Amino acid sequence: NAGVTQTPKFQVLKTGQSMTLQCAQDMNHNSMYWYRQDPGMGLRLIYYSASEGTTDKGEVPNGYNVSRLNKREFSLRLESAAPSQTSVYFCASSEDRDSYEQYFGPGTRLTVT
Amino acid sequence: KQEVTQIPAALSVPEGENLVLNCSFTDSAIYNLQWFRQDPGKGLTSLLLIQSSQREQTSGRLNASLDKSSGRSTLYIAASQPGDSATYLCAVRPTSGAGSYQLTFGKGTKLSVIP
Repeated sequence: NAGVTQTPKFQVLKTGQSMTLQCAQDMNHNSMYWYRQDPGMGLRLIYYSASEGTTDKGEVPNGYNVSRLNKREFSLRLESAAPSQTSVYFCASSEDRDSYEQYFGPGTRLTVT
Repeated sequence: KQEVTQIPAALSVPEGENLVLNCSFTDSAIYNLQWFRQDPGKGLTSLLLIQSSQREQTSGRLNASLDKSSGRSTLYIAASQPGDSATYLCAVRPTSGAGSYQLTFGKGTKLSVIP
């Protein structure tokens, strides 16, 4: 049981390049999330998917798009990377039941130059 | 807008000491509160989750309490060990509405346990 996995672990992009961050969970959870973590800002929600087939904006969605490919996978795409998107990105999932306890992946460290 | 504050931002204690980490939130309309641990360069590990109807949760040497009416939670760590050194984050989930899936995080308390 791997839990939540993310690829890649590290990535360096140049301004204007695009890339997709991949996330998968093997816990049969309904809900999935993308966060970014920046020094002094804490974790902030970018997008979430309450269930397969649905996605919604979080606190900081600008510059990102998401796809809930199936129940297991939730990807985050940067269409035209900017230096302000330099951050650590975390994917999380939760079961859509009473607790909604969230489980996090190991993160992707992205640098945009 | 919900705001979550964790004080202190950093804490250094000698091994074996009992300690308390604090978390406060401005809006008491929460569904639950979750405590996480984050090691340097790693993801978040869930430690304890307290539902709004609960007063406390325990796991091993950890005990988390919740006083929803006053907007406070504490994480008590007994007999601290060097392996407890990490950043501890608390996060609250609102009760309902469009943002009910959105956790609001504090900025964390960085704990160092000195051997």
